[in-house]
Amino acid sequence: DGGITQSPKYLFRKEGQNVTLSCEQNLNHDAMYWYRQDPGQGLRLIYYSQIVNDFQKGDIAEGYSVSREKKESFPLTVTSAQKNPTAFYLCASSIGGSSKETQYFGPGTRLLVL
Amino acid sequence: KNQVEQSPQSLIILEGKNCTLQCNYTVSPFSNLRWYKQDTGRGPVSLTIMTFSENTKSNGRYTATLDADTKQSSLHITASQLSDSASYICVVTTISNFGNEKLTFGTGTRLTIIP
Repeated sequence: DGGITQSPKYLFRKEGQNVTLSCEQNLNHDAMYWYRQDPGQGLRLIYYSQIVNDFQKGDIAEGYSVSREKKESFPLTVTSAQKNPTAFYLCASSIGGSSKETQYFGPGTRLLVL
Repeated sequence: KNQVEQSPQSLIILEGKNCTLQCNYTVSPFSNLRWYKQDTGRGPVSLTIMTFSENTKSNGRYTATLDADTKQSSLHITASQLSDSASYICVVTTISNFGNEKLTFGTGTRLTIIP
């Protein structure tokens, strides 16, 4: 897991509720990413950020929002618009945004809907 | 349809034995291919990365091969250990006409090592 932390490990969401997943890194990496992992599917990119105060939508951004106010932090908010939020969420970071740079993943947050 | 297919979906082998995991991809144009190891309930950890010109890369007991012509890669694990029990994920990077990179993740092979 390197220097990336995610919290909480488990998160429960009620219907209509927004929840925020935390991701912090102390690796001095410029790029950060959020992925969603569902059983039987490959990881899918939600959002990514290559620099502070800038972020881009990934393949499945609908129902999610992010911010990148600090280099170390890239929180993900799962909004009530995300109708199927139950999944394992992984945050990653890399030195730069190139795919040749290794992405280092956090331990993940499992989100469950009550 | 996922354009990175891995096989088998799951595999059980005895400790000490060797095994080979397969990854076939249809995405193009190809930039690089990476293998990750993911322990249950944890984030993936990179094992190897190969570009178009590389056809083999080793990391300890892990050896990855790449055939860019047939769009196939394999991950060979020698002298397996209990700690090798994990999911192994193949990731292929393509580059669009605009120079944007896109990573496509396979669904993984679940490997279980039994004593």
